[in-house]
Amino acid sequence: GDSVTQMEGPVTLSEEAFLTINCTYTATGYPSLFWYVQYPGEGLQLLLKATKADDKGSNKGFEATYRKETTSFHLEKGSVQVSDSAVYFCALTYNFNKFYFGSGTKLNVKP
Amino acid sequence: NAGVMQNPRHLVRRRGQEARLRCSPMKGHSHVYWYRQLPEEGLKFMVYLQKENIIDESGMPKERFSAEFPKEGPSILRIQQVVRGDSAAYFCASSPPRREQYFGPGTRLTVT
Repeated sequence: GDSVTQMEGPVTLSEEAFLTINCTYTATGYPSLFWYVQYPGEGLQLLLKATKADDKGSNKGFEATYRKETTSFHLEKGSVQVSDSAVYFCALTYNFNKFYFGSGTKLNVKP
Repeated sequence: NAGVMQNPRHLVRRRGQEARLRCSPMKGHSHVYWYRQLPEEGLKFMVYLQKENIIDESGMPKERFSAEFPKEGPSILRIQQVVRGDSAAYFCASSPPRREQYFGPGTRLTVT
């Protein structure tokens, strides 16, 4: 079946450090891939997306590239800020009617 | 442009009571989705609705749970005879057809 696997957290970094959060997926077809972010007490917000292989999604300094050969969509940021502290979810969908989410990775950024 | 609205934000129910969760989609969005998030877990799809129609309820438990999206008014997720295992955050999302989903702030249900 279709599923998303994320690296377990929490991930703790110092401000300005480089961030990578791994995401791999299992899919029977060719899904679209997403990263959502959840701040404490809030709902999920779309961070970035990629709809086909080799596409790169980017937003607010975050990037992720849709790698079909490794079935991965790793999230990266060159220099994290304290305000990036949140839970990050990787997700896939085929038709936008049902999203499959990973279990989330909590990021703590220390000043 | 208001986002997806959910109420209540927090709901406490005793075992055996009913819980009713409401979701008002973003203006112009005709599709509504409900997800459940258990502690320390990701979101699990429950149901997808359009106005007056349930399109996909493959994630809904077979008993005690129901959802509707009437012609007028918000979408309702109803849980009858709640049990402790129903304690979770319930998120609603909405979208236009075949577009990414926008999430509400969630309703945190606690069953005592």
